[in-house]
Amino acid sequence: SQQGEEDPQALSIQEGENATMNCSYKTSINNLQWYRQNSGRGLVHLILIRSNEREKHSGRLRVTLDTSKKSSSLLITASRAADTASYFCATVPPSIQVSGGGADGLTFGKGTHLIIQP
Amino acid sequence: DAGVIQSPRHEVTEMGQEVTLRCKPISGHDYLFWYRQTMMRGLELLIYFNNNVPIDDSGMPEDRFSAKMPNASFSTLKIQPSEPRDSAVYFCASRWTGGDTGELFFGEGSRLTVL
Repeated sequence: SQQGEEDPQALSIQEGENATMNCSYKTSINNLQWYRQNSGRGLVHLILIRSNEREKHSGRLRVTLDTSKKSSSLLITASRAADTASYFCATVPPSIQVSGGGADGLTFGKGTHLIIQP
Repeated sequence: DAGVIQSPRHEVTEMGQEVTLRCKPISGHDYLFWYRQTMMRGLELLIYFNNNVPIDDSGMPEDRFSAKMPNASFSTLKIQPSEPRDSAVYFCASRWTGGDTGELFFGEGSRLTVL
C-alpha cells in the first residue's frame, strides 16, 4: 500500500511566519492528501492534490506536487497559534480511479508536529 | 451528518480484561477502517471493510484482536484478553466509493489504557 513520509518530524516557528512541511512517497498515485490532527482529536482532511496537478491553494494553505520526485509540500502562510497540530500526508493509488473503491486504506507517516509560538 | 462516531472516548481497564470499541460510520459510506495510533509506531491500519465484508486484516497484530461489521452502520473492534502494550488511541474512519478521491473521515478516537 502507499505510504507518505513527512519531514521534518517537528517544526517550531513564530506566529505570523510561514510553515513548510514535506512529504515523500514511493509509487504512483491518483492523489495525495494532507490531514491535520489537533491534540486529542481525530484526523481532519485539509486538502487534496491530484497527480495531474502541480499546485493547489485553499485559504492559507498551498500544496505542491512533484510526481517526478515523488514529493509534495504543504505551506501554511501567516501561521496562527491555532495551526499548532500534527500534519500527515497520505497517498491514494491509481487503482481507486478504475475500481472506484481502491484496494487500500490510506497509510500515513508519523507526521510533522507543528508548534506555533505566540 | 454527525460524522464518524466512536465509543467509548476513554477506556481504562486491567490486563486480561476484554475491551470492545465501537464505531458508527457516516451514513452511506461503504468503506470502514480501524487504525491504531501510538507514539512509537504512528498510525497503523489494522483492518478495513467494504460493504460490511472484511477485506484486509493483515494489520491486526494478534489473534487477541478481532473486528466485526454486522451491518452498514456499526462496527466493533474487540481485544481479548487485553495487555498493557495494547494501550493506544484507536481510530475508526469511513469513506464513500462514489467520492472517487479516497478521502477518509475520522472519528475522534477511543483512548485505551490497559493497566
